[in-house]
Amino acid sequence: DTAVSQTPKYLVTQMGNDKSIKCEQNLGHDTMYWYKQDSKKFLKIMFSYNNKELIINETVPNRFSPKSPDKAHLNLHINSLELGDSAVYFCASSQVGIPSGSSYEQYFGPGTRLTVT
Amino acid sequence: SQQGEEDPQALSIQEGENATMNCSYKTSINNLQWYRQNSGRGLVHLILIRSNEREKHSGRLRVTLDTSKKSSSLLITASRAADTASYFCATGIYDKIIFGKGTRLHILP
Repeated sequence: DTAVSQTPKYLVTQMGNDKSIKCEQNLGHDTMYWYKQDSKKFLKIMFSYNNKELIINETVPNRFSPKSPDKAHLNLHINSLELGDSAVYFCASSQVGIPSGSSYEQYFGPGTRLTVT
Repeated sequence: SQQGEEDPQALSIQEGENATMNCSYKTSINNLQWYRQNSGRGLVHLILIRSNEREKHSGRLRVTLDTSKKSSSLLITASRAADTASYFCATGIYDKIIFGKGTRLHILP
């Protein structure tokens, strides 16, 4: 059973289009994340949701809008795609334990390679 | 801003040798984690060491943490071809973790 899954695996699209990436986890975790990995392999957090509530938003352009319909799903919608959005996007999940505010190991999905032409 | 810095950026060793990677960071942390990423794949969690721990082992992995020097090391003993991957340290600060740029490890046959 796949713990964290993402669809699609590859996404090729033109500038100006709107696209979505879906993520699902079956680990029962409370917290989910979106990361962007650039061509130099630098992994940067974009968003974090805990029980469907946004808790981290790292100065990401508002063209990026996450949506969490339930705590097992966190989707990422991107409007008006730009060339600089080309990257690999990873979804991840973790438990957030007691005391709250502690960081735990994260489980990553396989990634979505987005290419904007 | 980036927190962890791995050193070296790239490392090539013969199969069977030990590989050591280092990570330095700038601010106080709750924990430090190491992840592996095989080419074209997602990251896999390897080990987490809390700020009040100094050393931790998991199989062929040994991690040390020196909070006074704000540094950590990951030692992989008796390397295998399957260890070829990028290794990232991630500093746990409150409710999020911040990744370094990674060390690319290549195991030569």
